Amino acid sequence: AQSVTQPDIHITVSEGASLELRCNYSYGATPYLFWYVQSPGQGLQLLLKYFSGDTLVQGIKGFEAEFKRSQSSFNLRKPSVHWSDAAEYFCAVVPSSGSARQLTFGSGTQLTVLP
Amino acid sequence: EPEVTQTPSHQVTQMGQEVILRCVPISNHLYFYWYRQILGQKVEFLVSFYNNEISEKSEIFDDQFSVERPDGSNFTLKIRSTKLEDSAMYFCASSGGGAGANVLTFGAGSRLTVL
Repeated sequence: AQSVTQPDIHITVSEGASLELRCNYSYGATPYLFWYVQSPGQGLQLLLKYFSGDTLVQGIKGFEAEFKRSQSSFNLRKPSVHWSDAAEYFCAVVPSSGSARQLTFGSGTQLTVLP
Repeated sequence: EPEVTQTPSHQVTQMGQEVILRCVPISNHLYFYWYRQILGQKVEFLVSFYNNEISEKSEIFDDQFSVERPDGSNFTLKIRSTKLEDSAMYFCASSGGGAGANVLTFGAGSRLTVL
């Protein structure tokens, strides 16, 4: 069965430090991959997506993610975290073939940023 | 930037009551969705809607749930007789056609509390 795993429930970093949030997926073929961010009281905002092509994708707010087929991973990174990045981050996938458009979400990683 | 709007932002209801959650998707989008997130759990797919009919639904979306696009702009989720376990944040989303079909834009959510 298809699944998305975010192994880190909670990560704490200091402002200005680098960040990497992990995401692994289990699918029969490479799905489309997404990272969403949810700030308190807000909806799910799309940070970036990967469909095909260059495996390093750039997103909004200075985030990037790298797709590694051999590791079935799509980790999110940011070189220098800002206090406003504190939020919950969700990795999500959808099959790249067929008619299914069910986004499957990981369980989320809560990011705390220390001053 | 176009956005998906949801009302109400928070609704408290008694068990057994009917609830209607409303959404205004992005105007030129073709696909509409409802997801929910029970506190502390993953964001889960409920239903997708295209061309005025349900295209996919999950096992969660039982006979107590229904969706409707009554007037070409609103997209509603009705829960016929609420249960305690229906307490959750409900997210509406929409996506466009073609390559944009898999890129969902989410609303800020409607928090439902069933007492």
